[in-house]
Amino acid sequence: DGGITQSPKYLFRKEGQNVTLSCEQNLNHDAMYWYRQDPGQGLRLIYYSQIVNDFQKGDIAEGYSVSREKKESFPLTVTSAQKNPTAFYLCASSINKDSYYGYTFGSGTRLTVV
Amino acid sequence: KNQVEQSPQSLIILEGKNCTLQCNYTVSPFSNLRWYKQDTGRGPVSLTIMTFSENTKSNGRYTATLDADTKQSSLHITASQLSDSASYICVVSPNTNAGKSTFGDGTTLTVKP
Repeated sequence: DGGITQSPKYLFRKEGQNVTLSCEQNLNHDAMYWYRQDPGQGLRLIYYSQIVNDFQKGDIAEGYSVSREKKESFPLTVTSAQKNPTAFYLCASSINKDSYYGYTFGSGTRLTVV
Repeated sequence: KNQVEQSPQSLIILEGKNCTLQCNYTVSPFSNLRWYKQDTGRGPVSLTIMTFSENTKSNGRYTATLDADTKQSSLHITASQLSDSASYICVVSPNTNAGKSTFGDGTTLTVKP
């Protein structure tokens, strides 16, 4: 079945550590996105990529980094510079940069700082 | 600034009843509006998508309407089921740059037996 796979489902980070969240899709979609979701709030865009080897900052990129070396993969690194990383992270993809086709979302990764 | 406002913030209804969720937006220029359903701890799943020229679209017991003049949309759920308990998110996209879609904060619906 085609879809987006995020791993791990739960992740715990110690203070000062960098952690990487995985996002893989087999939908042959060009565009991929990372969103952050806090309780009671809407999704906020962290980074997005419309093509391999290219990505753009979203609204809350500080403290995060991404790469897009392969069409299928768009990993997100939460660095120690992100002061409040505890949140639910969602990866999404779309056929291309045209928003009409909508997004396919992964099941999310819940990151907790311990 | 592009904004999407959803109401109510939360809603509790009895199984079998109907309900309507609201979405008002200021996104311009407008391309399309989508409604998503998000179960707790899961990713959102698309229910409907509408462009400027469409004013209603159905997906089973879900019917979305769009008034592009007043920039309002509604999602009507008919004969609610326990499995309808979820957060419903309105997403509005401009016709430039898909990465700049604006998400509403969602309406949390609880269906009780």
